[in-house]
Amino acid sequence: AQSVTQPDIHITVSEGASLELRCNYSYGATPYLFWYVQSPGQGLQLLLKYFSGDTLVQGIKGFEAEFKRSQSSFNLRKPSVHWSDAAEYFCAVGANSGGYQKVTFGTGTKLQVIP
Amino acid sequence: DSGVTQTPKHLITATGQRVTLRCSPRSGDLSVYWYQQSLDQGLQFLIHYYNGEERAKGNILERFSAQQFPDLHSELNLSSLELGDSALYFCASSVGVSGGFHTDTQYFGPGTRLTVL
Repeated sequence: AQSVTQPDIHITVSEGASLELRCNYSYGATPYLFWYVQSPGQGLQLLLKYFSGDTLVQGIKGFEAEFKRSQSSFNLRKPSVHWSDAAEYFCAVGANSGGYQKVTFGTGTKLQVIP
Repeated sequence: DSGVTQTPKHLITATGQRVTLRCSPRSGDLSVYWYQQSLDQGLQFLIHYYNGEERAKGNILERFSAQQFPDLHSELNLSSLELGDSALYFCASSVGVSGGFHTDTQYFGPGTRLTVL
């Protein structure tokens, strides 16, 4: 079965600083990988996704993520964080299981942005 | 605003009761997904419907059931409620042309917060 680990529960960065959120997955085959953002009181919004091809994926709001098969990682990055990026970020892995397509989410990383 | 609507916004009920959560997908979307977000379990995928048919099941309890109607809205029924069912329940929709869970971009509703007392 697939699993996702987000080792950082909470991260604080200064506005304008770079950001990297870590995500490690476990799955036997090539996974489908996603990053979602959840602002307070809101539903989730897809930032980006990876299925195949170029391992560096560009998303919305200036985010990017890099798939590294050797490290089973799919870290999310942003070169310069804005105060509006404060939110909770979820990494997810999708896989085919028992004839169904399923998704498993990580526990999330809360991002705090300080002036 | 994602275009996905969920009602009610908040629901407070007692243990043992049954509730129904409703989701209206974005116009034209054929797929509807249900998720549960709780402090204990985190974010979990429950079930996926495509054009009225069940397509995928996640960690959905037997006490829970869902359906998608001909007008494409969906309902999640939760019965014999327990304290641990208190959570935020999200609905998402996608175009679902292929019914492909992983390839479609999902648009999430604002959620229904269920409190079981």
